[in-house]
Amino acid sequence: KQEVTQIPAALSVPEGENLVLNCSFTDSAIYNLQWFRQDPGKGLTSLLLIQSSQREQTSGRLNASLDKSSGRSTLYIAASQPGDSATYLCAPTTGNQFYFGTGTSLTVIP
Amino acid sequence: GAVVSQHPSWVICKSGTSVKIECRSLDFQATTMFWYRQFPKQSLMLMATSNEGSKATYEQGVEKDKFLINHASLTLSTLTVTSAHPEDSSFYICSARDRPLEWGNSPLHFGNGTRLTVT
Repeated sequence: KQEVTQIPAALSVPEGENLVLNCSFTDSAIYNLQWFRQDPGKGLTSLLLIQSSQREQTSGRLNASLDKSSGRSTLYIAASQPGDSATYLCAPTTGNQFYFGTGTSLTVIP
Repeated sequence: GAVVSQHPSWVICKSGTSVKIECRSLDFQATTMFWYRQFPKQSLMLMATSNEGSKATYEQGVEKDKFLINHASLTLSTLTVTSAHPEDSSFYICSARDRPLEWGNSPLHFGNGTRLTVT
């Protein structure tokens, strides 16, 4: 079974800072990896999807990288804003299964 | 874009009753849907994989007689929590792929979740 770990568990930064969220997984035989954000009490919003053959994917201020062989992915957020405050989850896909880490709770201080 | 609608968004029920949660793909056909639950301050845990026209595949430790899943059509999957107890109180979320036959190009789309409180 896929084990997903996200570090740090919580992060608090002042507005404008660049930051990196880390995700590691134990089974490198993945099809793709998705990053999500979850606002309190809400569902998930997909941020980025990286195919297993890709090294990185960018969307606006977000950049996600994938090192499949080492079982790692990072989410880079540039010029953070208070609206970025949320929990960020990574989910590697193994076959038809998604397994989530416990997430990183991000607070961006105005 | 692909939209997954989940209903209800919240429900309160008495212990011993059953609750049905619906998950619909509004603008695409979903041969496979996934059901997760999330306890406070914890991550999502996959409960089961729902396949249209066949039985759901449950994760280890999830009681299939307790959490009944029906995927009767390509756009609807339902989760019924039977004889609910307070410990079933949780946040339940469904999700679906919009392109099930293309694993490499299939993002997962989530409903907004259902907050179940059993009193």
